[in-house]
Amino acid sequence: DQQVKQNSPSLSVQEGRISILNCDYTNSMFDYFLWYKKYPAEGPTFLISISSIKDKNEDGRFTVFLNKSAKHLSLHIVPSQPGDSAVYFCAAKEYGNKLVFGAGTILRVKS
Amino acid sequence: DTEVTQTPKHLVMGMTNKKSLKCEQHMGHRAMYWYKQKAKKPPELMFVYSYEKLSINESVPSRFSPECPNSSLLNLHLHALQPEDSALYLCASSQVWGLAETYEQYFGPGTRLTVT
Repeated sequence: DQQVKQNSPSLSVQEGRISILNCDYTNSMFDYFLWYKKYPAEGPTFLISISSIKDKNEDGRFTVFLNKSAKHLSLHIVPSQPGDSAVYFCAAKEYGNKLVFGAGTILRVKS
Repeated sequence: DTEVTQTPKHLVMGMTNKKSLKCEQHMGHRAMYWYKQKAKKPPELMFVYSYEKLSINESVPSRFSPECPNSSLLNLHLHALQPEDSALYLCASSQVWGLAETYEQYFGPGTRLTVT
């Protein structure tokens, strides 16, 4: 039973445009959400997070939006750069210190 | 400094070998984690240590044995592994939930394990 779903396996965007990555979750007990970026053969790199009491968090080119009623969050990257090409994982915090990860979305930014 | 280090980078071991993976962080984090990641899959939680005590074991087979000697170090002892255990093993650390306003897990680069 997948509690965190990233339904788009891949996304292709032109350099300079906006990239929007989406994530849906089913567990209403999740109280914290994170986005990670991962290059091949490296560990995931933390990008941005949001608490369930907020609906938006911004850090430079990255903005995360949370819609609790829809159990949906999204990551916006503006403007997209070729170096952003990677696998993006959405994660949600369950009880204690446990994170549950989505399956990931491959982002390709074309120059 | 948000660095988590892991050694070795690569490890090849036979099914009868005993080996250990090591992880270190100096961010003052009191929660540390082991994850397993197969190709094209998300990281899968194995163990969580909180204040040097094992708090979560995700029903991991006993051929994987974690150890947390102190607040900066985390080991994963491997014995009698199977070829299907070949994967990228990731270590991570974080603040214990509730002690900080944010909650990020910082990952190391991983150990690529191949079981022959």
